Amino acid sequence: GAGVSQSPRYKVAKRGQDVALRCDPISGHVSLFWYQQALGQGPEFLTYFQNEAQLDKSGLPSDRFFAERPEGSVSTLKIQRTQQEDSAVYLCASSLAAMGGSGNTIYFGEGSWLTVV
Amino acid sequence: GNSVTQMEGPVTLSEEAFLTINCTYTATGYPSLFWYVQYPGEGLQLLLKATKADDKGSNKGFEATYRKETTSFHLEKGSVQVSDSAVYFCALRGNQFYFGTGTSLTVIP
Repeated sequence: GAGVSQSPRYKVAKRGQDVALRCDPISGHVSLFWYQQALGQGPEFLTYFQNEAQLDKSGLPSDRFFAERPEGSVSTLKIQRTQQEDSAVYLCASSLAAMGGSGNTIYFGEGSWLTVV
Repeated sequence: GNSVTQMEGPVTLSEEAFLTINCTYTATGYPSLFWYVQYPGEGLQLLLKATKADDKGSNKGFEATYRKETTSFHLEKGSVQVSDSAVYFCALRGNQFYFGTGTSLTVIP
């Protein structure tokens, strides 16, 4: 597609429920990122994929968070046993090159707005 | 480590006023610097970027100059419009992207 596509756009989950958020990056983009954006804050890094390899998951806040990109294109961020503090916008972004390239620009999707009640 | 510090908002300006949003950074090496804009209910969009010292990024009347000596990348626009109302994020590219906390701008007619 023309841009990064995320679904669902809005999700309300009951505390303890598992959720899965999908990201479809720009076709051909090697790098894929997940960010978490709390209300009134900037995006905070969660994890990074280069093709299907998860090279950095240092930002995942707990072992309840899991991300995958099995075929190097679509990615899923899964949150198990959701808690109220997980309420945030989850942003997916992609870039054409691997992170080693200079001036690499990332392009964001519109985000998945998660509310845990 | 890498970090970005932005001027806190919110900022409210009248239409046609001059805008400056300050951004300073801490980084190892010479990162690329970016400004992203987020309109209500939307994702982040790249506004402009600069990849090396003294580069000036510009787009839609906005400008920012990469100043290595002051580790700054301040965003400026000479005459803001109501349609510029949004949240602006300064970012740097290190081993991943690091964002500031955002500055909310409201332009009133």
